[in-house]
Amino acid sequence: AIQMTQSPSSLSASVGDRVTITCRASQGIRNDLGWFQQKPGKAPKLLIYAASTLQSGVPSRFSGSGSGADFTLTISSLQPEDFATYYCLQDSNFPRTFGQGTKVEI
Amino acid sequence: EVQLVESGGGLVKPGGSLRLSCAASGFTFSSYTMNWVRQAPGKGLEWVSSISSSSNYMFYADSVKGRFTISRDDAKNSLYLQMNSLRAEDTAVYYCAKEDSSGMSYWGQGTLVTVSS
Repeated sequence: AIQMTQSPSSLSASVGDRVTITCRASQGIRNDLGWFQQKPGKAPKLLIYAASTLQSGVPSRFSGSGSGADFTLTISSLQPEDFATYYCLQDSNFPRTFGQGTKVEI
Repeated sequence: EVQLVESGGGLVKPGGSLRLSCAASGFTFSSYTMNWVRQAPGKGLEWVSSISSSSNYMFYADSVKGRFTISRDDAKNSLYLQMNSLRAEDTAVYYCAKEDSSGMSYWGQGTLVTVSS
């Protein structure tokens, strides 16, 4: 199974900060990677698919990059509603695998 | 509007069985791969199983293989997860998710399964 190593596991940031989260796959997955946001008690929400394509309705301050094995989610200017946990997911192969998550805190 | 509504969760004893359902609406259910994803209390997301349109293929996480069975009824726009031989470590919120060209683009609100004596 492909392992997804996500870092950091948590970070502290302030409103307006630029935030970067990374995911590394244990083998190449082309651009078959999605990023999700999850708030407490809620279902995950898709932010980015195909590594860099913004899902409809997602603010443009979110962006994704990378291909092969290394991927990045960037929030250009953190907003109060962005404090949440973020996960990457590879959908290149089965079994699908998520990163461990990154909790973005104040 | 796409809607996914899970049901069937609850408290079950170790070794017991439970069947989860996911009622879909707002899209052509039969055309899409569907997934189950779970989240143990305070933990991260774990993919559980996928079923393709027309049920051509089903895949399972190693942690549930041989114990869980995914199925779908396209006439009823419903996805199911039959869970047998349940263990304490299966305790989680179970989500169903629709997969399209964007990936897992829509999720239900989840249903809680608690395995405890």
